[in-house]
Amino acid sequence: EVQLVETGGGLVQPGNSLKLSCATSGFTFSTAWMNWIRQTPGKRLEWLAQIEDKSNNYFISYLESVKGRFTISRDDSKSSVYLQMNNLKEEDTAIYYCTTGSSGAYWGQGTLVTVSS
Amino acid sequence: DTVMTQSPASMSTSVGERVTVNCKASQSVGTVVAWFQQKPGQSPKRLIYLATNRHTGVPDRFTGSGFGRDFTLTISNVEAEDLAVYYCLQYDSIPPTFGAGTKLELK
Repeated sequence: EVQLVETGGGLVQPGNSLKLSCATSGFTFSTAWMNWIRQTPGKRLEWLAQIEDKSNNYFISYLESVKGRFTISRDDSKSSVYLQMNNLKEEDTAIYYCTTGSSGAYWGQGTLVTVSS
Repeated sequence: DTVMTQSPASMSTSVGERVTVNCKASQSVGTVVAWFQQKPGQSPKRLIYLATNRHTGVPDRFTGSGFGRDFTLTISNVEAEDLAVYYCLQYDSIPPTFGAGTKLELK
């Protein structure tokens, strides 16, 4: 059974940082392309970043509006993917999901990030 | 960025009816479209990928169609458990973009 478990969310003040983790099991992580997607309080879904696998040199893509603030990474030995988020803004408040593949085959349960003073 | 215009925003139907949800892309995306179902309090679940292929375990009352700019998700013989919000996604180009969602309510 494919499982993805996100952790690391919480309440943070504007300008601060947070690192999200996504631990996975049930599939061959090392060959999977992994994504982070968020859902805003208004229920809009927004793709944030993708990291490809080793055979594609771990190529990374970002949504333009988070480039330079967010960093996606992975550790194939731990079957985990991460999202480092810096200089957080109130509009970053959302549920953050990690997903597998370009078409979002599987999603975790999400972790809530609230940015507020 | 490719804009996915989804319609209707909400719809009300009865058990056993047939409903359709539409997505129109601002530019051609071939067949690189997926559909998702999100029930209250849950994360989205993929129903369809590459426009017409059902995800493992998805009932055959869910059908995807379309090519280019126009895509449709059809739910035949709606069941009460289909109460949810449905989203389309184009992943033909970076950034992948979602439709705004269609809320399916039961009469």
